[in-house]
Amino acid sequence: GAVVSQHPSRVICKSGTSVKIECRSLDFQATTMFWYRQFPKQSLMLMATSNEGSKATYEQGVEKDKFLINHASLTLSTLTVTSAHPEDSSFYICSARDGTSGEVDTQYFGPGTRLTVL
Amino acid sequence: GQNIDQPTEMTATEGAIVQINCTYQTSGFNGLFWYQQHAGEAPTFLSYNVLDGLEEKGRFSSFLSRSKGYSYLLLKELQMKDSASYLCAAMDSNYQLIWGAGTKLIIKP
Repeated sequence: GAVVSQHPSRVICKSGTSVKIECRSLDFQATTMFWYRQFPKQSLMLMATSNEGSKATYEQGVEKDKFLINHASLTLSTLTVTSAHPEDSSFYICSARDGTSGEVDTQYFGPGTRLTVL
Repeated sequence: GQNIDQPTEMTATEGAIVQINCTYQTSGFNGLFWYQQHAGEAPTFLSYNVLDGLEEKGRFSSFLSRSKGYSYLLLKELQMKDSASYLCAAMDSNYQLIWGAGTKLIIKP
């Protein structure tokens, strides 16, 4: 099946620093990638949708200048948390939609990145 | 390796009961999640099991057997709005989520 990877799996950083999280589709071309934030035992909160080669679409309440998303290729999207603060500590999950598949609603989820900001 | 298996698609009748099974193999285990995802929407959290047994929450119940690497989601009194994909995800020893491909549930009148 389709595989999505994230790197790093876990990161601890100091307040005020920036952290970059990578999301890769390993065996398919992802025309669309999604970034979610997960709080314990809660639903995934969609942060933004990124399409390859264009600007990401952010959900209401998500600061685009704080959460920078780049989807430069069909297999890679990055989320950069700029000037991270302790309240940004969370589990970030990406998913990717296979652009060549007829299953337009199928998303493949990454394993998540646990960010802890001290 | 780590993997999750769940059926690709299931069909059930409105008002009936359906059970969606999920088997998992992970390096360590820190719980099993079920999510519901309607087309074009973010997944909605349904349940989290880390101990063996059945957890009931309204029309939805989730069961876990750690020794068998097995879980199921039971939906009762099915409604048309229950038509969605149901995702099973296991958390491994590194607190990473291993996702199933999802089960598309089709409800017929």
